[in-house]
Amino acid sequence: DAGVTQSPTHLIKTRGQQVTLRCSPKSGHDTVSWYQQALGQGPQFIFQYYEEEERQRGNFPDRFSGHQFPNYSSELNVNALLLGDSALYLCASSLFGFSSATGGGETQYFGPGTRLLVL
Amino acid sequence: GQNIDQPTEMTATEGAIVQINCTYQTSGFNGLFWYQQHAGEAPTFLSYNVLDGLEEKGRFSSFLSRSKGYSYLLLKELQMKDSASYLCAARHNSWGKLQFGAGTQVVVTP
Repeated sequence: DAGVTQSPTHLIKTRGQQVTLRCSPKSGHDTVSWYQQALGQGPQFIFQYYEEEERQRGNFPDRFSGHQFPNYSSELNVNALLLGDSALYLCASSLFGFSSATGGGETQYFGPGTRLLVL
Repeated sequence: GQNIDQPTEMTATEGAIVQINCTYQTSGFNGLFWYQQHAGEAPTFLSYNVLDGLEEKGRFSSFLSRSKGYSYLLLKELQMKDSASYLCAARHNSWGKLQFGAGTQVVVTP
């Protein structure tokens, strides 16, 4: 059973450039959430995609955008990169909706992340 | 507002027990998650509580009190491999975003 996969694993960019990160969810999952994790901090929610639409968004500027494809995979795009965008970008997949087993929504499982360095 | 608080660091001896506390304030609260994260790796799911009470999973147990906005993760029979950051996260609504704390770095010493 394939888990969540992300590519690339590492990336180096310069200020002002644009970057695209990719995520394939765990088999059977239909929802993808993206998080940014700065060094020494907990992950910060960027946005969530379900049925190819952005369903929720965290406190991130419009430079951060995304997309979900019919096969549930997703991309995160960041334009006009700033030094402060250097971080570990995590993708988490889950199954949308209410779980009778857990009494709540489904658990989010994280991919290995993409480490982005902006110089 | 939304806020998750947990201690920055805890140190314990191999074989001992450590309890990591987490307090939260989250609108539309729908569950409390604990993740383990080793340095340079992605968070790994440990436990989930949506109802009050204790959930036990082997050496790890997690407790939730919704009325107090409080949870803890209990690690028993500590092993060296348990040295990691432990992240507390509150979920906002039934399928929504996770609000994470900054993590508690647990150091297990011989």
